[in-house]
Amino acid sequence: AQSVTQPDIHITVSEGASLELRCNYSYGATPYLFWYVQSPGQGLQLLLKYFSGDTLVQGIKGFEAEFKRSQSSFNLRKPSVHWSDAAEYFCAVGANTNAGKSTFGDGTTLTVKP
Amino acid sequence: NAGVTQTPKFQVLKTGQSMTLQCAQDMNHNSMYWYRQDPGMGLRLIYYSASEGTTDKGEVPNGYNVSRLNKREFSLRLESAAPSQTSVYFCASNVQGLTGELFFGEGSRLTVL
Repeated sequence: AQSVTQPDIHITVSEGASLELRCNYSYGATPYLFWYVQSPGQGLQLLLKYFSGDTLVQGIKGFEAEFKRSQSSFNLRKPSVHWSDAAEYFCAVGANTNAGKSTFGDGTTLTVKP
Repeated sequence: NAGVTQTPKFQVLKTGQSMTLQCAQDMNHNSMYWYRQDPGMGLRLIYYSASEGTTDKGEVPNGYNVSRLNKREFSLRLESAAPSQTSVYFCASNVQGLTGELFFGEGSRLTVL
């Protein structure tokens, strides 16, 4: 069975500082990996995804993530955080099956200090 | 382009009452999903429909039923609501078999008293 662990429940960073959110996954084959962002009162929006190929993927809003098979990780990074990045972030692992079901981590809440 | 639309956005029920959450997508996606989101627990899959005419249980199906009315619409029904079903419910859709990328509605916040 596939699973996702986000070790950090809550992270606080200062505006302008760099950010790294951790994600570890468990999956029997090559995974499809995703990062979603959820602003308060909103649905989830896709930030970026990894299916195959280059292990460093670029997403929207200046985010990037690196797939490391040896560590079963897919950490999300941003060089300089903006106050508008405050939100909840979810890592997910999916599959290219008929249903394409995704399994989500419990989420990491990001607070940005001015 | 509306994407995924859920109704209602907010609902308060008394224990034992029934209600249906409606979801419609205009992206011609084959697969549709219902998730619930509870604090500290991420999103948990309730039911999904891989294609029109099929539905399957997810991780937490007890107390819920679903109907895939047509390719666009996928409803979630609570027959006898319980306080444990207080949650935020999200409908999502994706293109079957090609990617797992999900497109989400804005959510329906349900409170059961």
